[in-house]
Amino acid sequence: GESVGLHLPTLSVQEGDNSIINCAYSNSASDYFIWYKQESGKGPQFIIDIRSNMDKRQGQRVTVLLNKTVKHLSLQIAATQPGDSAVYFCAENLGDSWGKLQFGAGTQVVVTP
Amino acid sequence: ETGVTQSPTHLIKTRGQQVTLRCSSQSGHNTVSWYQQALGQGPQFIFQYYREEENGRGNFPPRFSGLQFPNYSSELNVNALELDDSALYLCASSPRPGNSSDEQFFGPGTRLTVL
Repeated sequence: GESVGLHLPTLSVQEGDNSIINCAYSNSASDYFIWYKQESGKGPQFIIDIRSNMDKRQGQRVTVLLNKTVKHLSLQIAATQPGDSAVYFCAENLGDSWGKLQFGAGTQVVVTP
Repeated sequence: ETGVTQSPTHLIKTRGQQVTLRCSSQSGHNTVSWYQQALGQGPQFIFQYYREEENGRGNFPPRFSGLQFPNYSSELNVNALELDDSALYLCASSPRPGNSSDEQFFGPGTRLTVL
């Protein structure tokens, strides 16, 4: 079946550097994508979203890029901080109403001093 | 914190037993979605409740069932527990079924262990 998945299971980043987390999706009909951050012992926390009619969206220190041609999504974190250490998931909206999300497997980001 | 609470925090059951997990949605939210997150994996959508009715279901067997109450809190019930049901169960509440996830908030989850 079609699914959302991630390329790298673990990403080690030095504090202050930029992080890039990648995600490949296979459902060409998907029109809404979200990035979540999950810290240990907590539920996923919304970071940023993007609709399929856009190819870039920026937030505070984060940028999401969408390449529909190759079905690729990425999250860029600028000036990575120790508090950014977490598991990051991309997700796509499954159905006609939101809240029904299909998540990828996740990438563990480890920020080193 | 998100305002979404779940109970209990942790739970240990044996194979074949039944379990009920609870979720209190954020004030003003009438939609609750449940997810199962196995260790090292992303959450998997179980089902969603909107105004006390099921509003969509993922690929889970009928022994996974739910309820939503008039105050919009929700329960997830799992019958005939199997070892593979061991996971973190997450609920997420939102003000309505819509098309934006920035208004959907997850609770901290209930860690279920089936022995």
